[in-house]
Amino acid sequence: QVRLKESGPRLVQPSQTLSVTCTVSGFSITTYHVSWVRQPPGKGLEWVGGIWKGGSTDYNSALKSRLSITRDTSKNQVFLKMNSLQTDDTGTYYCAKQEGGHFDYWGQGVMVTVSS
Amino acid sequence: QITLTQQAESLWISPGERVSITCRASQSLLYTDGKHYLSWYQQRPGQTTKALIYHASVRTDGVPTRFIGSGSGTEFTLSIEHVQPEDFAIYYCLQTLKSPYTFGAGTKLELK
Repeated sequence: QVRLKESGPRLVQPSQTLSVTCTVSGFSITTYHVSWVRQPPGKGLEWVGGIWKGGSTDYNSALKSRLSITRDTSKNQVFLKMNSLQTDDTGTYYCAKQEGGHFDYWGQGVMVTVSS
Repeated sequence: QITLTQQAESLWISPGERVSITCRASQSLLYTDGKHYLSWYQQRPGQTTKALIYHASVRTDGVPTRFIGSGSGTEFTLSIEHVQPEDFAIYYCLQTLKSPYTFGAGTKLELK
């Protein structure tokens, strides 16, 4: 059974770094791409970036300078790091498995608040 | 980047009715493999985001047949026939033809 679960801090101080982990089961991250998507409270979805099955990455150009997506294949985990956080980075961060050009499975998401 | 426009922010309908949600892309989403890289998602409170349709018209496993995706080029539609109570949710389109991937702003189905 395919599952994705995000974990990370619920509260981050402005200007600090966000670190979120996506732990997957039911598939290998060396076989499928994994993307990160975020959603501000009450707003729409925004693609953050992704790590492809071969290990290369692709980032949303609007966030690229602050982003790093990496993985640990032995643990089937994908990591999102975003630095210089501001209040408008507040939102729910999701990871999603990608297949055939769409995101077929999503995690429940982790709600992150950027506040002092 | 490719912009996706879902013009209707909300649609008010009654159970049993048919509804269509449109998504317009700023450029064609047709790839050289003959497939359109446009997919549809449903968000309900407390549930994981659910993929409904990919390649514009292919239903994902387990999605009821009342969900129908259609369209080509730059114009796409998600239709729901005989809307059920559990279908009142927010629907997003997504393009994965070119990076950065982009979503439509979402259309909320509300009970009339």
